[in-house]
Amino acid sequence: AQSVTQPDIHITVSEGASLELRCNYSYGATPYLFWYVQSPGQGLQLLLKYFSGDTLVQGIKGFEAEFKRSQSSFNLRKPSVHWSDAAEYFCAVGPREDMRFGAGTRLTVKP
Amino acid sequence: GAVVSQHPSWVICKSGTSVKIECRSLDFQATTMFWYRQFPKQSLMLMATSNEGSKATYEQGVEKDKFLINHASLTLSTLTVTSAHPEDSSFYICSATGTGMNTEAFFGQGTRLTVV
Repeated sequence: AQSVTQPDIHITVSEGASLELRCNYSYGATPYLFWYVQSPGQGLQLLLKYFSGDTLVQGIKGFEAEFKRSQSSFNLRKPSVHWSDAAEYFCAVGPREDMRFGAGTRLTVKP
Repeated sequence: GAVVSQHPSWVICKSGTSVKIECRSLDFQATTMFWYRQFPKQSLMLMATSNEGSKATYEQGVEKDKFLINHASLTLSTLTVTSAHPEDSSFYICSATGTGMNTEAFFGQGTRLTVV
């Protein structure tokens, strides 16, 4: 069965600094991979997704993620963090019929 | 993108009563809907999958008699928490997908249930 590990429960970065959130997955075939962001009390907003093709995926809000099959990773990056990026971030592996979520990484942004 | 709407956004109910949460796909036909539960500071756990016109498939450990799911139309699924107790207090999120939507599902904004 597929699973997702987000090793970092909480990350704090300064505004303007770069960000990388880690995600490792376990999946038997070519995975469908997603990153979602959740603000407090809100649902999930899709940042980006990977199904196939170019392993560097561009998403919304300036986020990108790179699929590395050899490392079973799908890390999320942003070159310059804004205060509004403070939220909970979830990595997920599909397919949609059996989507599994990581435990989440809470991002705090220092002024 | 496709829009999924949940109602209500939050609800408080008394212990022993039942509460219904609606999940609607606003601009597409949702052949499949998913219901998740999220405890504070935790991840989403899939509760059940429902296909339009069929009985829902529940994940192991989820009480089907307590969490009644109905997916009678292509735009609406409902989750009814029956005889709610304080331990049922949680954040419930639905997602929906339809034909031709590749492998992506679209999420509602969630419903905060508090049982007092």
